[in-house]
Amino acid sequence: EIVMTQSPATLSVSPGERATLSCRASQSVSGNLAWYQQQPGQAPRLLIYGASTRATGVPARFSGSGSGTEFTLTITSLQSEDFAVYYCQQYDRWPPVYTFGQGTKLEIK
Amino acid sequence: LQLQESGPGLVKPSETLSLTCTVSGDSISSSYSYWGWVRQPPEKGLEWIGIIFRTGSTYYNPSLKSRVTISVDTSNNQFSLKLSSVTAADTAVYYCARVVRGVVSDPDWFDPWGQGTLVIVSS
Repeated sequence: EIVMTQSPATLSVSPGERATLSCRASQSVSGNLAWYQQQPGQAPRLLIYGASTRATGVPARFSGSGSGTEFTLTITSLQSEDFAVYYCQQYDRWPPVYTFGQGTKLEIK
Repeated sequence: LQLQESGPGLVKPSETLSLTCTVSGDSISSSYSYWGWVRQPPEKGLEWIGIIFRTGSTYYNPSLKSRVTISVDTSNNQFSLKLSSVTAADTAVYYCARVVRGVVSDPDWFDPWGQGTLVIVSS
């Protein structure tokens, strides 16, 4: 099983600043990585797929990068609605065995 | 496209958890997508359960495979989850979602998700 490790577990950033979230895979997943945002009490929402492609309707302040085992989600000019939990998910294998990271909580500093 | 989970919110230990996901805005019988289930224990992360295609082809999380059955009902545009022999560890919010097929046509990422339904396992 591919293990996804996110860091840090909690990130405190001030509104208007930049947040950088990391996701590491235990083995290469090429560019087969998605990012999700989850607000309290809500379902996850797809932000990024293919490591760097924004989903429909996702603001341009969200960007994804990386390949292989190291991935980054960057959020610039943090807005109040961006403070949430973020998960990465790999989808590199066939037959599929999807795994998620444990999440990074982005909180207001 | 919208998905909505339904089913009992309380299940007794050792019994079978049964949930249904109703899809609106897309037809499962003609869709190219897969359909899946993901769960989230309280205050914890996400765990993939399994996926199904309109033909009935399924793929399950190996850690749950012995207890999971996912089926599809194209006539009612629904797919369902059964998890047998449940314990307190199966208490979670259960989400259904469409699984989008990516560049090489494999089912890849989950979008959109249903709102989720909390299932508590307790006597």
